[in-house]
Amino acid sequence: ILNVEQSPQSLHVQEGDSTNFTCSFPSSNFYALHWYRWETAKSPEALFVMTLNGDEKKKGRISATLNTKEGYSYLYIKGSQPEDSATYLCALLSGGYNKLIFGAGTRLAVHP
Amino acid sequence: DTAVSQTPKYLVTQMGNDKSIKCEQNLGHDTMYWYKQDSKKFLKIMFSYNNKELIINETVPNRFSPKSPDKAHLNLHINSLELGDSAVYFCASSQDGAAFYNEQFFGPGTRLTVL
Repeated sequence: ILNVEQSPQSLHVQEGDSTNFTCSFPSSNFYALHWYRWETAKSPEALFVMTLNGDEKKKGRISATLNTKEGYSYLYIKGSQPEDSATYLCALLSGGYNKLIFGAGTRLAVHP
Repeated sequence: DTAVSQTPKYLVTQMGNDKSIKCEQNLGHDTMYWYKQDSKKFLKIMFSYNNKELIINETVPNRFSPKSPDKAHLNLHINSLELGDSAVYFCASSQDGAAFYNEQFFGPGTRLTVL
């Protein structure tokens, strides 16, 4: 059974702080890793899909890196804003046909 | 102009009833999914259809039956509802289920409460 671990479980930061969280996954038979942002009372929205070892992706103040050999990905948020408050999910693609195995998420709260 | 829509948003029903949740996507995607958010808040895949064909069927009780009348719709029918079926169910779609790089687009979720 594939296990996707995210840490920390929750995080409280002040507005303007930069922060990062981790997604760990089994490194064998890697296909892709997804990051999603999930605001309360909304649907999960895709941030990044990462497929190659060493991948770095960026969207505004949010960026992610991928290390498939050691089985981890980091998500970074630079200069956190209250609107960044959400749960950040990572999901490992397990085999074909986009079967995603989700982690439990990191819940981020950014305080003004 | 909602990309992935689900109805109803809330569903409260008695144990033993049969109910359906509908999902529609207007993105022209080939692949659709049903997820269950369990009591620990994990999103777990239940089913996936690609062009109306079942391609992922996780270990789900056979009281749950997905139906895809066309590639834009994937409905979830649940027979003989049990208390443990109470959860939030999410529908999602992606461009091509066989491509590794395709993100999934999620619906707003349906909160099912079984009394």
